Amino acid sequence: DQQVKQNSPSLSVQEGRISILNCDYTNSMFDYFLWYKKYPAEGPTFLISISSIKDKNEDGRFTVFLNKSAKHLSLHIVPSQPGDSAVYFCAASAGNQFYFGTGTSLTVIP
Amino acid sequence: DAGVIQSPRHEVTEMGQEVTLRCKPISGHDYLFWYRQTMMRGLELLIYFNNNVPIDDSGMPEDRFSAKMPNASFSTLKIQPSEPRDSAVYFCASSPGGGYGYTFGSGTRLTVV
Repeated sequence: DQQVKQNSPSLSVQEGRISILNCDYTNSMFDYFLWYKKYPAEGPTFLISISSIKDKNEDGRFTVFLNKSAKHLSLHIVPSQPGDSAVYFCAASAGNQFYFGTGTSLTVIP
Repeated sequence: DAGVIQSPRHEVTEMGQEVTLRCKPISGHDYLFWYRQTMMRGLELLIYFNNNVPIDDSGMPEDRFSAKMPNASFSTLKIQPSEPRDSAVYFCASSPGGGYGYTFGSGTRLTVV
């Protein structure tokens, strides 16, 4: 059973606008969350993380928000750029093993 | 460091043949993971090792799949016999542990015809 879910398989956004990617999880023991970005024919690469002791982490244009009560996290990209077009995976962990969502394919339209 | 190295990048094989995928993790990383990416299930964990010892292989789909890690710098994922439904991209990842994230290899795209 999927412990980490990304219910939107795809998302299209105009360049310059905000992209919001969502992720839900079921295991309340998860205490560390990551977002990975994946370009075609490449492996996923780490983008940004957040610990359960925080509700927000920001890195340049990328911000991750965590709502523990709702078991929900989101990734905001502002402003979106065409180079951000990729598949984004969220992942959650309660130890050394991370559980991944199914990914959201983001297309930023120039 | 060259990162996690996987080979081959692409593999096309006929149904029933044996397939071996290879992975070299980052030096010093104690954890190695094998994932399979499919449209339906996303990144699906097959098996992971800690210090060369298999810890959890519950994700291995069936007995046709096997994985080994004979030493800290090399792991293999073998499918014997291969079937068309095994066609997917297989990723290897390594981690230093302690909750740190993974570094993924570039993947092996397997096509079984």
